[in-house]
Amino acid sequence: AQTVTQSQPEMSVQEAETVTLSCTYDTSESDYYLFWYKQPPSRQMILVIRQEAYKQQNATENRFSVNFQKAAKSFSLKISDSQLGDAAMYFCAYSGGYQKVTFGTGTKLQVIP
Amino acid sequence: DTGVSQDPRHKITKRGQNVTFRCDPISEHNRLYWYRQTLGQGPEFLTYFQNEAQLEKSRLLSDRFSAERPKGSFSTLEIQRTEQGDSAMYLCASSLGQGGPQHFGDGTRLSIL
Repeated sequence: AQTVTQSQPEMSVQEAETVTLSCTYDTSESDYYLFWYKQPPSRQMILVIRQEAYKQQNATENRFSVNFQKAAKSFSLKISDSQLGDAAMYFCAYSGGYQKVTFGTGTKLQVIP
Repeated sequence: DTGVSQDPRHKITKRGQNVTFRCDPISEHNRLYWYRQTLGQGPEFLTYFQNEAQLEKSRLLSDRFSAERPKGSFSTLEIQRTEQGDSAMYLCASSLGQGGPQHFGDGTRLSIL
């Protein structure tokens, strides 16, 4: 069974600074997808960024980028120029051949003005 | 694109009652997922449909839970003889194709008295 581990229950970052959220996963599959989702308090889960395992190039979306290390099964999220609106729970997620998505336990990000 | 719609947003019921939730996915999405999320945790996979076929069910989905997706459009999740432990946020998501990002609804929050 696939597992996703987020070892940082809470993180904080100063506004305009950079923060990295960690995620590791375990799988025996070779073809899969990895995601970071953002869930603001009492609001909808929103996709932040997506990585296809067969692609070596790290995905980027504006201020958000990932460091995907397939051999190490690591998938960290870097948020640059942090903004107050980035404060939320961030979930790392894995999706393999059957499309079932396995989520980590989340990292609560606080942005300090 | 009106997004994924879930109804109701909140449901309060007495233990032992039956409840039914509805999810309307994004119209062109052929895959539909149900998740359960408790406070401070990531979403846990419950079940998944491709068109009208239910392709996978989690062990979390006891025989009190049933989901349908008639005609491959909207889906319903029914919980019979509700228990205290069923209190959670029930999330629906939809996606298009293999590895397509999942778009989430706002969820239905179930509270069991």
